[in-house]
Parts: sequence; C-alpha cells; structure tokens
Amino acid sequence: DTAVSQTPKYLVTQMGNDKSIKCEQNLGHDTMYWYKQDSKKFLKIMFSYNNKELIINETVPNRFSPKSPDKAHLNLHINSLELGDSAVYFCASSQVNQMQYFGPGTRLTVT
Amino acid sequence: GQQVMQIPQYQHVQEGEDFTTYCNSSTTLSNIQWYKQRPGGHPVFLIQLVKSGEVKKQKRLTFQFGEAKKNSSLHITATQTTDVGTYFCAGRLGTASKLTFGTGTRLQVTL
Repeated sequence: DTAVSQTPKYLVTQMGNDKSIKCEQNLGHDTMYWYKQDSKKFLKIMFSYNNKELIINETVPNRFSPKSPDKAHLNLHINSLELGDSAVYFCASSQVNQMQYFGPGTRLTVT
Repeated sequence: GQQVMQIPQYQHVQEGEDFTTYCNSSTTLSNIQWYKQRPGGHPVFLIQLVKSGEVKKQKRLTFQFGEAKKNSSLHITATQTTDVGTYFCAGRLGTASKLTFGTGTRLQVTL
C-alpha cells in the first residue's frame, strides 16, 4: 500500500509544452505539498494545501498551477515548459506541522 | 538565499568511521526535523526535535538541538554502507508554517 503516490515517475517533454503531475495520498492527512529538487539536490517548497485550501505559495512562476480536487489529491500543472523547469518534483503530505511523507518523485526533463 | 545551511556538503568515510553533519540557521527554529534521502530515492523522515538542548538517539544515530534553537547536528557512530545517502535538516523559521530544508550533506561510505 503506497502512502503517497505520484504519476508519472518520469516525464520527458519539449520546451513550450504543457504537462501535469498527479499526486495522491491515502494517509488521511490534511496537508499536501509540492517540492522542487534541483540538480544540486536543494529541496524547495513550492505550494502547500490544507483541506483543499492554498496556504503556501512560494515565489514560483505563474506557469505553475496547483489544483486540489479533494484533500487526498494535489496535482501540479505546468504551462509553457522551460529548460530550467527540469528537476525532480516531490509531492508530500502530513498532518499540520508533523512529519512529512514524500512520494517517489517525478523526474521532469525538458529538452 | 538559503537560510538553513548544512556542513559539510559532502563526506566520504570508510565503513566503521563516525560521521557528523551540522545544521545552522540564522533564525530561531520552532522545531527541527531530519530526513534521509537514498540515491535515487525520496526523503524519509528520521526524527523531530522540539525542545532547546534536546538529544535523541536512534540506534547508531544521535540527534541534537542547540540551546539557542538555531542549530542541530546528526552524528552516526560506526557508519555502515546502508547509511549512504543525503541527510537533510528541516526547520520552521520563527513562526513560519512552512518547513525550510537545509542544503543537505551527502554521505558516501566505502568498505
């Protein structure tokens, strides 16, 4: 039973395309997150939702739009992909201010 | 810029040697969490420290939270090849709700 799952695991696409990454958690957590991990392994938070409400929105280009249809799902849509968007994107979930459970990651490569 | 720094960035030890990574923040942290990320994997929660001066142990791992709540350390005694990975501290700066991850320390262990 996977606690936090993401699809797809790998995504290779060309500049200018639009793509989505999906995330689902079966832990009953109220809060979900999107993180970006760059080639230097720095982990930076992008967005956080609590009970479908956006609570953290870091300085992220507005080409990135998260959507939470319910508290178990948090998707990330990216418009007009750029080379600099290449990274590993992790979804995570937690109860408020508790330990975070990470998904397996989606490796996005923009060519 | 990065507000939670870790040193060293990288350490290579022989199996059986000890290892320590240090985490430093310019701002008081309300709590500190530690995560381990195996190569190709996702961050996995290890522990959370909340109180000033707190020390916790997990088998060969010892975690400390500084008296001023601005620094923390993770010490591994007698490293094993299974300890290979990147270790991240993560803390909440002041009253912030988001978790800020440290820059990470990559540990390589060879026989």
